[in-house]
Parts: sequence; C-alpha cells; structure tokens
Amino acid sequence: GAVVSQHPSWVICKSGTSVKIECRSLDFQATTMFWYRQFPKQSLMLMATSNEGSKATYEQGVEKDKFLINHASLTLSTLTVTSAHPEDSSFYICSAREWDRIYNSPLHFGNGTRLTVT
Amino acid sequence: AQRVTQPEKLLSVFKGAPVELKCNYSYSGSPELFWYVQYSRQRLQLLLRHISRESIKGFTADLNKGETSFHLKKPFAQEEDSAMYYCALRGGSSNTGKLIFGQGTTLQVKP
Repeated sequence: GAVVSQHPSWVICKSGTSVKIECRSLDFQATTMFWYRQFPKQSLMLMATSNEGSKATYEQGVEKDKFLINHASLTLSTLTVTSAHPEDSSFYICSAREWDRIYNSPLHFGNGTRLTVT
Repeated sequence: AQRVTQPEKLLSVFKGAPVELKCNYSYSGSPELFWYVQYSRQRLQLLLRHISRESIKGFTADLNKGETSFHLKKPFAQEEDSAMYYCALRGGSSNTGKLIFGQGTTLQVKP
C-alpha cells in the first residue's frame, strides 16, 4: 500500500533555531500534501496545503513566514519551522494524496514528527 | 464554515457490546465523510469513507444528510478495536479539498 515517510520522527532544538521536516511519498506521486499540527489529546489542525510546483495555501492564523513549506517534487514536501520558540513544540503530521481511478483520492499519513523547542 | 463535531472524548464498552461513535458535521455543500483510526503508537489510517459504502473490520457508517451525521457503528466490539477514531470531512473541490478533522473519540474496549 501507499506509504508516506516523515523524517525526523522527533527533534529537539534550541529556541531561535530552524528545523526542517521532510515528508515523502514512497511509492506514489503526490501532487498535494497537507501539513497538520496536533496538540496533546487534541485533534489534528490543518496548517497548510502544499501543492507541487506552486505556493502553499495556509490556513487562517498560520504564519507563512514562520512555517515555510516547499513542495519541490511530486514525492517530497518540506516544512521548516523558522526561529522556533517553545510554543512551537508540537506534533506535526504530513499527509499525501494518492490518486486512484475509482474514487476520489484517499489521504495517507506520515508517522508524525515530535518537535520540542527548549 | 466547515466543522466536524465528535461529542464524546471517550467511549468505554465491554467486549461484544455494540459501539456507536458519533459524528456530526456542518457544511453547506455536498461533503465527503471519512473515518480515520489511530492505533496506539501507529500512524493515522483510513478506516472507511461514505462514498464507498463499505464495511471495514465490521465497522459501518451511513451518511445522514438530514441529520448531518456520519456515525460509526459496530455491532460487537473487540478488544483490538481500542484506538482513537477521527471523523473527517472533505469539502470544496475534490481535486484540492482539505480534510477537516473532528476532535477524536477514544474507544476503549474492555475484556
């Protein structure tokens, strides 16, 4: 089945530094990827929609200059948390769409990245 | 506005008992509804979607547009069903439509 690989699984960084998270679709092409953020015991909050070859679409309230998204190829999207602060500590999850011919495309999720900013 | 509501944070049942996880949605157009499941220490995975009208692992869900609901049901719960369940809605263009998730319900099936 379709697999989405997210790397790293967890990262600890110092306040003020930047962190890059990668999301790869391993055996399918993903024209669209989505980035979610999940706080403990809460739901997934959509941050942005990443489209290959074009600018990402950010949800209301998400700072695009802080959360830089690049979707340079059909199998890779990256999320860079710039100048991270402790309040950015969270669980970040990516998902990618796979096209099938019968139904509208399902979403496949990565394993998530636990970011801790000290 | 698009919204998905799962009123129960936790649902605890005994093995063999029927299960119903509630999901209500708010969307002005014609939505696509999904149920996703997250087992302990695993990634989120698709359980079922209304468009395919399938039964997965004994679970079914019927879209009720009149009540704007998409409740997930299983007649006889198993211990391995214990997990976090998310109801999700996809609105807008099916080409780019984003998924909006409910708050999630933890299902705990006791032996």
